[in-house]
Amino acid sequence: EIVMTQSPATLSVSPGERATLSCRASQSVSSNLAWYQQKPGQAPRLLIYGTSTRATGIPARFSGSGSGTEFTLTISSLQSGDFAVYYCQQYNNWPPTFTFGPGTKVDIK
Amino acid sequence: QVQLQESGPGLVKPSETLSLTCAVSGYSISSGYLWGWIRQPPGKGLEWIGNIYHGGTTYYNPSLKSRVTISIDTSKNQFSLKLSSVTAADTAVYYCGRVSGANSPGYYFDYWGQGTLVTVSS
Repeated sequence: EIVMTQSPATLSVSPGERATLSCRASQSVSSNLAWYQQKPGQAPRLLIYGTSTRATGIPARFSGSGSGTEFTLTISSLQSGDFAVYYCQQYNNWPPTFTFGPGTKVDIK
Repeated sequence: QVQLQESGPGLVKPSETLSLTCAVSGYSISSGYLWGWIRQPPGKGLEWIGNIYHGGTTYYNPSLKSRVTISIDTSKNQFSLKLSSVTAADTAVYYCGRVSGANSPGYYFDYWGQGTLVTVSS
């Protein structure tokens, strides 16, 4: 079973600053990594898939990178609507299973 | 625009079976894609429950596999979740979603329902 970890658990950032979120897999997941944003009371929203491809309508300030076991989500200049919890998710080819990381909460400094 | 909507009882008694349905609009599920369920206990993270292909093949989270059944009804354009022998630990918001990824590395949930809270309590 692939275990996902995320760090830090909470990230305090001022509006306009850069945020860097990390996600680590217990074994290689190749590029099978996605990122989601979740605001209170809402369903998660897909931000990034295939490690670095932005989903439809996602602004360019969100970028993803990495491969294998180490991945990063970068928000280049935080806006008020970006304060939320961010989850990474891996897909394992066989058996076809999904695992989410525990999340990183980005809050206002 | 693809839309998904969960429905089902908001309260289930311990040891009974939780049953939810996800109605899909804006896309015919018989045309393709994987469809899945995810849950989120109050104040906690996301847990994948399982997926089903439009043809009926299923994949389940190994930790829940013995209690989970996901089925699909293409005539009604919906799919369903059954979770048996529930306990308080199964209290969560349950989301349904569409899985994409055939043309990219990995698979991911690109459309989500709004979620429905199911509480397990006597």
